[in-house]
Amino acid sequence: AQSVTQPDIHITVSEGASLELRCNYSYGATPYLFWYVQSPGQGLQLLLKYFSGDTLVQGIKGFEAEFKRSQSSFNLRKPSVHWSDAAEYFCAVGAWANNLFFGTGTRLTVIP
Amino acid sequence: NAGVTQTPKFQVLKTGQSMTLQCAQDMNHNSMYWYRQDPGMGLRLIYYSASEGTTDKGEVPNGYNVSRLNKREFSLRLESAAPSQTSVYFCASRLTSGSLDTQYFGPGTRLTVL
Repeated sequence: AQSVTQPDIHITVSEGASLELRCNYSYGATPYLFWYVQSPGQGLQLLLKYFSGDTLVQGIKGFEAEFKRSQSSFNLRKPSVHWSDAAEYFCAVGAWANNLFFGTGTRLTVIP
Repeated sequence: NAGVTQTPKFQVLKTGQSMTLQCAQDMNHNSMYWYRQDPGMGLRLIYYSASEGTTDKGEVPNGYNVSRLNKREFSLRLESAAPSQTSVYFCASRLTSGSLDTQYFGPGTRLTVL
């Protein structure tokens, strides 16, 4: 069965600190992995995605994610968080970008 | 280029009332999707349409119907609303183009059923 686990419901970091959001997946075929960000009252915006090739993927807003097949993980990282990064982050897995299964999300709070 | 648009933004219904949520995209995408988002549950797929004239059930289709009116528009109908359908509803369309394959989301409709 397909599933995505984001074990951290809420993370608080100081502005300028590094960030890592965890994502573990279970998928019966070749996984295509996505990270989306949702600002309050807004829709979801794609941060980055992994289809194949280099397992370290660069995205928008200075985010990156690393695909580790052996650990079934696709963790999102940012070296220095800005106050504008406060939002909810969703990891998703699918067959290409079709029928995506989403995790329950991680809410990020950034403190000055 | 407005992307994916949804109407209305907010709606309050009484139990048993019906309504249709509208979604339109101007990106010439073939596939469109309806999700619901509930606290602590992420997004769950209600229905999707791989192309004009086709629709398929997703993970949570009960209580909903959809219509793919044309390539641009994909509507979601609640025939008899129930409090369990209180949620935020998102429409998405998909660009299927190899490595560019991505779903693009609308701003959402917040629905409350009393």
